Amino acid sequence: SQQGEEDPQALSIQEGENATMNCSYKTSINNLQWYRQNSGRGLVHLILIRSNEREKHSGRLRVTLDTSKKSSSLLITASRAADTASYFCATADNYGQNFVFGPGTRLSVLP
Amino acid sequence: KAGVTQTPRYLIKTRGQQVTLSCSPISGHRSVSWYQQTPGQGLQFLFEYFSETQRNKGNFPGRFSGRQFSNSRSEMNVSTLELGDSALYLCASSWTGYSYEQYFGPGTRLTVT
Repeated sequence: SQQGEEDPQALSIQEGENATMNCSYKTSINNLQWYRQNSGRGLVHLILIRSNEREKHSGRLRVTLDTSKKSSSLLITASRAADTASYFCATADNYGQNFVFGPGTRLSVLP
Repeated sequence: KAGVTQTPRYLIKTRGQQVTLSCSPISGHRSVSWYQQTPGQGLQFLFEYFSETQRNKGNFPGRFSGRQFSNSRSEMNVSTLELGDSALYLCASSWTGYSYEQYFGPGTRLTVT
């Protein structure tokens, strides 16, 4: 299985601080995606980074991908209470198949 | 543009019964995928349909089945329900396929007693 594994499992920070979550996977990928899920609801797509990209930005989000280490990180800058959610990475293999989610990181942003 | 809708939102069933869940994708999306989310197993892929054909399938028993209609709406069916089938079932739609940007519905919370 090429399941992504997020680290840490849970993270608690103060509003205004930066939050960093990491994702590791096992085999070659076509792309890696990050999703956010607010308590027990549907997922929201945040960023997709392709295997030939190293870094991508979207607003306060920054994603990096290191294919040599089979890892990715999601950085949320200047966090807000509304960023409190679970964050999941998901990978697809080189054929765009075997799409798998990691177990997620629970982020709590305290006001 | 309307988002992905799922019905019903909540469902309580008894062991041994069967259940059908419905998903309406975003207009124009031809790929619909289904996921099961539980506290113990996390998010697990069930299957993907694209233009009425099952294109990919996860590692679930045959009790779990699905179909997609010509208007891209999709249904999934679970027969002979077990207690372990209690979960949040999420549907997602996409332009190109499940391994690219997906738009998720709010989910159906199924409780099996």
